[in-house]
Amino acid sequence: KAGVTQTPRYLIKTRGQQVTLSCSPISGHRSVSWYQQTPGQGLQFLFEYFSETQRNKGNFPGRFSGRQFSNSRSEMNVSTLELGDSALYLCASSLLSGSTEAFFGQGTRLTVV
Amino acid sequence: AQTVTQSQPEMSVQEAETVTLSCTYDTSESDYYLFWYKQPPSRQMILVIRQEAYKQQNATENRFSVNFQKAAKSFSLKISDSQLGDAAMYFCAYDEIQGAQKLVFGQGTRLTINP
Repeated sequence: KAGVTQTPRYLIKTRGQQVTLSCSPISGHRSVSWYQQTPGQGLQFLFEYFSETQRNKGNFPGRFSGRQFSNSRSEMNVSTLELGDSALYLCASSLLSGSTEAFFGQGTRLTVV
Repeated sequence: AQTVTQSQPEMSVQEAETVTLSCTYDTSESDYYLFWYKQPPSRQMILVIRQEAYKQQNATENRFSVNFQKAAKSFSLKISDSQLGDAAMYFCAYDEIQGAQKLVFGQGTRLTINP
C-alpha cells in the first residue's frame, strides 16, 4: 500500500512569487491535513480537508489556501511568498476526519529567497 | 486553546538503556487523544504510540510505553532497550476527539543514542 506522497520534495522560490504543493493521500483516505514546520515556530496546523470541504483552518494569513479534489488529492497554495514562509510543509492523511491516526508524507522543503 | 509542552529540548541515552521523554499539555476537554511521533532525519513523521484519554490503562507498543497522568495532564514516553535507530526528534501531540483532525504539537525533544 503506497504511503502519502508529497511533490515536489524541494522547492526554491523568489519572494513575491506563488507556489503550489501537492499531496496524494493513502488510497481510501478521505482526510488530508497540512502542517508547517519551522525551527522557530515548530509544527503548526494549516488546514484540513475532508470530502473536498475545508473542515478546519489554523491561524495563518489568507495567502495560504488549499483545496481537495474528488480523488482526495490535495494542493496547498501560498501566494506572495515571504522569506518567513521558508519551511517544511507536511501533509497527513487519515481514513476519516477526526480519525485517530494520521499518516504523514516526507514533506516539501520550501526555500524562499 | 490547547497547548503541549516538552521541557527537554535534547536527551541522550546509552544504547540498551532506558530513557523517558516528558510532555505536559493543557486542555479543558475531558476526552481527547495524545500521541508520540518520531521524526528521523528523513523528516517523515512516524506514529510511535497513541493514548485515548478515557482509557486509564497506559498504552504500550513493544519497547515504547507511556505514563499517562490525566489529572496532572502529563504524558511521558519511556523507551526501553534503546537502539541506534531510535535516534530522532520526538514530538508529543494532542488532538480532540470530535471534529476535524488538528494535531497540536510540542516543540520536540531531540534524542541521541550513544553506542
